[in-house]
Amino acid sequence: DAGITQSPRHKVTETGTPVTLRCHQTENHRYMYWYRQDPGHGLRLIHYSYGVKDTDKGEVSDGYSVSRSKTEDFLLTLESATSSQTSVYFCAISESSSYEQYFGPGTRLTVT
Amino acid sequence: GENVEQHPSTLSVQEGDSAVIKCTYSDSASNYFPWYKQELGKRPQLIIDIRSNVGEKKDQRIAVTLNKTAKHFSLHITETQPEDSAVYFCAATNRDDKIIFGKGTRLHILP
Repeated sequence: DAGITQSPRHKVTETGTPVTLRCHQTENHRYMYWYRQDPGHGLRLIHYSYGVKDTDKGEVSDGYSVSRSKTEDFLLTLESATSSQTSVYFCAISESSSYEQYFGPGTRLTVT
Repeated sequence: GENVEQHPSTLSVQEGDSAVIKCTYSDSASNYFPWYKQELGKRPQLIIDIRSNVGEKKDQRIAVTLNKTAKHFSLHITETQPEDSAVYFCAATNRDDKIIFGKGTRLHILP
């Protein structure tokens, strides 16, 4: 597996609380992505980054924000978690936009 | 916006037979079409990809075909084996270079 880790791997939180998920890479890849995976929906892009401080929205960005202050770290924040944000979150990295993406191990988030 | 439709959602084939999964896309500017395999409890991993200037690509038992005119592409797995059981996702880039994934196909290889 490419050098990509996610933390935490599991989290249970209450509705209305802020949550931050971290993605860390050691590959020096330019692009980083956050997806959520839900049964029947496949992988849906939340936000992605094409460089330090350069980010853009995906198809399901409402309720999420991201930050990338260093090449190796990409943070996903749920400002006020809702039950609809219960999901498995995957981070991915790639050298360029139309190249292979390497996925992290995933974070299972439960909002009660 | 860009849409990627994937069929079937579930597929069962006898071990040794072939499996075919089909995807269609809506954005004629799409130029990159990867396929990912996700085993139960694991992360998705790329198994093959094709670019818009190529019609077919093969890697051992796996092949992908692309029909740009019809805007569809297919994954073909021959001589299926138990370890091929997984969920398979197709994807396509849109004109903004964002990747859109299909909803996935759960492939069962029957003994």
